[in-house]
Amino acid sequence: DVKVTQSSRYLVKRTGEKVFLECVQDMDHENMFWYRQDPGLGLRLIYFSYDVKMKEKGDIPEGYSVSREKKERFSLILESASTNQTSMYLCASSSYPRNEAFFGQGTRLTVV
Amino acid sequence: AQSVTQLGSHVSVSEGALVLLRCNYSSSVPPYLFWYVQYPNQGLQLLLKYTTGATLVKGINGFEAEFKKSETSFHLTKPSAHMSDAAEYFCAVSDRTYNTDKLIFGTGTRLQVFP
Repeated sequence: DVKVTQSSRYLVKRTGEKVFLECVQDMDHENMFWYRQDPGLGLRLIYFSYDVKMKEKGDIPEGYSVSREKKERFSLILESASTNQTSMYLCASSSYPRNEAFFGQGTRLTVV
Repeated sequence: AQSVTQLGSHVSVSEGALVLLRCNYSSSVPPYLFWYVQYPNQGLQLLLKYTTGATLVKGINGFEAEFKKSETSFHLTKPSAHMSDAAEYFCAVSDRTYNTDKLIFGTGTRLQVFP
């Protein structure tokens, strides 16, 4: 069974903390994505990666960075967490070209 | 750039009634289109996808969607709603430029099913 695993289902962090969200896929997919989901706004792309060490900004990259040192792992980093980054974060992966994305269970992050 | 519009953020139907969730897309290339479903506190699960070929696509759980190029639409239907269909549904289009490959999502439609 294909799998995308996010390290935490729920996280509570303080304002100003550096936050790491980890995602691992076991399907040898080239593409990996981080989306943010907010009510009424759907899924918005933060960053994506199409190869190891390669990354591209999505629609809302401000306040975030990413790391992809190995093909199976894609990390999202909140450099200095703020309350407006409280959200559901979804990781996904897909194979090239233009195939469907497989999603993790999501991480609900609360910044207080 | 590709984009997706889902008409209606909330749709309510009675159990046994027809389900119709609307999706229109904008794409400068032949589109690859997807419908996903999300149950509470879970990730997204693929319902069905259109790539090329037959324009009527069948998916899981009795859902189907029809690609209509002339209307730039990809509406999702199910003949008879079940209580277990209550969830949020997302339409997406594949955006491929150079060597990058990403999905662009609509804002979602929450489906309620009443007994």
